[in-house]
Amino acid sequence: DIQMTQSPSTLSASVGDRVTITCRASQSISTWLAWYQQKPGKAPKLLIYKASNLESGVPSRFSGSGSGTEFTLTISSLQPDDFATYYCQQYSSFSWTFGQGTKVEIK
Amino acid sequence: EVQLVESGGGLVQPGGSLRLSCAASGFNVSGNFMSWVRQAPGKGLESVSLIYSGGSTYYADSVKGRFTISRHNSKNTLYLQMNSLRTEDTAVYYCARYSGSYSLNYWGQGTLVTVSS
Repeated sequence: DIQMTQSPSTLSASVGDRVTITCRASQSISTWLAWYQQKPGKAPKLLIYKASNLESGVPSRFSGSGSGTEFTLTISSLQPDDFATYYCQQYSSFSWTFGQGTKVEIK
Repeated sequence: EVQLVESGGGLVQPGGSLRLSCAASGFNVSGNFMSWVRQAPGKGLESVSLIYSGGSTYYADSVKGRFTISRHNSKNTLYLQMNSLRTEDTAVYYCARYSGSYSLNYWGQGTLVTVSS
């Protein structure tokens, strides 16, 4: 199975900061990567699909990039509503796995 | 409007069985890839099982041989039959729908399964 490794595991930031989260795949997955945001007690919410496509209704401060084995999620200017845990998820060759998550905390 | 509503969670003893249901509205379960994803308390997300529109299924190694995913087309409902439950199966179980780009664009609210004696 393809392993997904996110870094960092925890990130402390302030409102207005630019934030970048990295997700690395153990082998190439082309651009079959999605990013999700999850708040406590809630279901995950899709932010980005196919590595760089913004899901409808998601603020434009969120962006994704990458291909192959290395991907990034960027929040251009962190807002109070963005403090949450973020997960990457890959699809390749009938295999679906999530990264371990990155918690974005208030500094 | 697309909606997914899970039910069937609860407390069960180790070795027991439980069947989760996910009632869908706003789209046809039969024409979509559907998935069960779980989250153990304080932990990350784990893909448990999925069913393709054609009927093929996938299971995580941790549940293979114990869990069965299925769907009832006329009831527009997805199921997860869970047998031989273990304490490590304790989690919130979400059903979710895959979009055409293999990402989960709709999720239910989740149902809690607790395996404990």
